[in-house]
Amino acid sequence: EAGVAQSPRYKIIEKRQSVAFWCNPISGHATLYWYQQILGQGPKLLIQFQNNGVVDDSQLPKDRFSAERLKGVDSTLKIQPAKLEDSAVYLCASSSGQRTQETQYFGPGTRLLVL
Amino acid sequence: KNQVEQSPQSLIILEGKNCTLQCNYTVSPFSNLRWYKQDTGRGPVSLTIMTFSENTKSNGRYTATLDADTKQSSLHITASQLSDSASYICVVSHSSNTGKLIFGQGTTLQVKP
Repeated sequence: EAGVAQSPRYKIIEKRQSVAFWCNPISGHATLYWYQQILGQGPKLLIQFQNNGVVDDSQLPKDRFSAERLKGVDSTLKIQPAKLEDSAVYLCASSSGQRTQETQYFGPGTRLLVL
Repeated sequence: KNQVEQSPQSLIILEGKNCTLQCNYTVSPFSNLRWYKQDTGRGPVSLTIMTFSENTKSNGRYTATLDADTKQSSLHITASQLSDSASYICVVSHSSNTGKLIFGQGTTLQVKP
């Protein structure tokens, strides 16, 4: 079974530039998550999709961050414009459902450095 | 406030030794507790999951315990190997329909030869 795929693996940009990350979840997984993990901290949920609908985006900084999952499969997360404090690893995860018992499977992450 | 606190923040042990990582949580209502292992540059991978009624769960050399009364969990690693060097994250599920996870900050374990 293929895992969660993410690209790019690394990205370096200057502040005020834009950046986009892509995620392809495990086939058949209806629920997709984007997390931000700052160095030395646990992941923080940015947005959760159930198919192509948003379930939870309460911690997404909507003035600069946006995400979409138009066809209910892969997803993109965009930052525009980026700030220095956005430097982090952006993890995508998927699960077959959104019940609390469901295991979330994580991708390798995209490491973003904003200069 | 729903929080998960882990200790120690970091730990260095010699290969072959045992170690125990701690997790305290204030999440309520509680659904389940997971321990994830995160290798450097990789995403977290689930090691164990325990519900309210479970006291212990093993996965090879990893044994997790849960005391739902005191809201504490521990992860015990037996006969450590170099490949155990990683961050270990305690994750608690809130009893909601969205499956929201609350992550601890992790314990970084380094196993030295």
